[in-house]
Amino acid sequence: DAGVTQSPTHLIKTRGQQVTLRCSPKSGHDTVSWYQQALGQGPQFIFQYYEEEERQRGNFPDRFSGHQFPNYSSELNVNALLLGDSALYLCASSGDSQETQYFGPGTRLLVL
Amino acid sequence: GENVEQHPSTLSVQEGDSAVIKCTYSDSASNYFPWYKQELGKGPQLIIDIRSNVGEKKDQRIAVTLNKTAKHFSLHITETQPEDSAVYFCAAMKTSYDKVIFGPGTSLSVIP
Repeated sequence: DAGVTQSPTHLIKTRGQQVTLRCSPKSGHDTVSWYQQALGQGPQFIFQYYEEEERQRGNFPDRFSGHQFPNYSSELNVNALLLGDSALYLCASSGDSQETQYFGPGTRLLVL
Repeated sequence: GENVEQHPSTLSVQEGDSAVIKCTYSDSASNYFPWYKQELGKGPQLIIDIRSNVGEKKDQRIAVTLNKTAKHFSLHITETQPEDSAVYFCAAMKTSYDKVIFGPGTSLSVIP
């Protein structure tokens, strides 16, 4: 049973560019949450998708947007990249009304 | 706002000794408290969790305690091994579809 998978593993972009990160949830899970983890800090909640809708959103600007597909996979899009967007982006999935969120390995984004 | 504090930020123990990490949370509506272990270059992995109707839970060398009145919870690792070296995050959630609020993390080093 595959866990949460994310792609790509690493990415380098320049300021002002746009980026799309992808996530496939654990089998049987229907809810996907995205987190940003800056170096040396705990993950910070960006938003959560359920039934292809954004159900909750953290304190992140509109430059951060997402999408969930009918197969429950999800994308995170960041526009107009800033140097401060450099971080590890984590996807977590959950399902069956269970609290437990399972995390993927993350995508490390570097903005130059 | 919702906040989770965690102490200490770094912890160094001799192999075989015990390690204790303490956390406090601010939102009294929190009902679920997962603990995650994050190794270098990987996403957070759930190691144990506790719900608000339980005061203590144990899984082999790992135990968690929860004092809901004081809004404190702790992780205890006994007979530490070098492979326990990692960053540990405590976290809190309110409902099964809520965001995870992470503490800032504790970097544990187990010295052989």
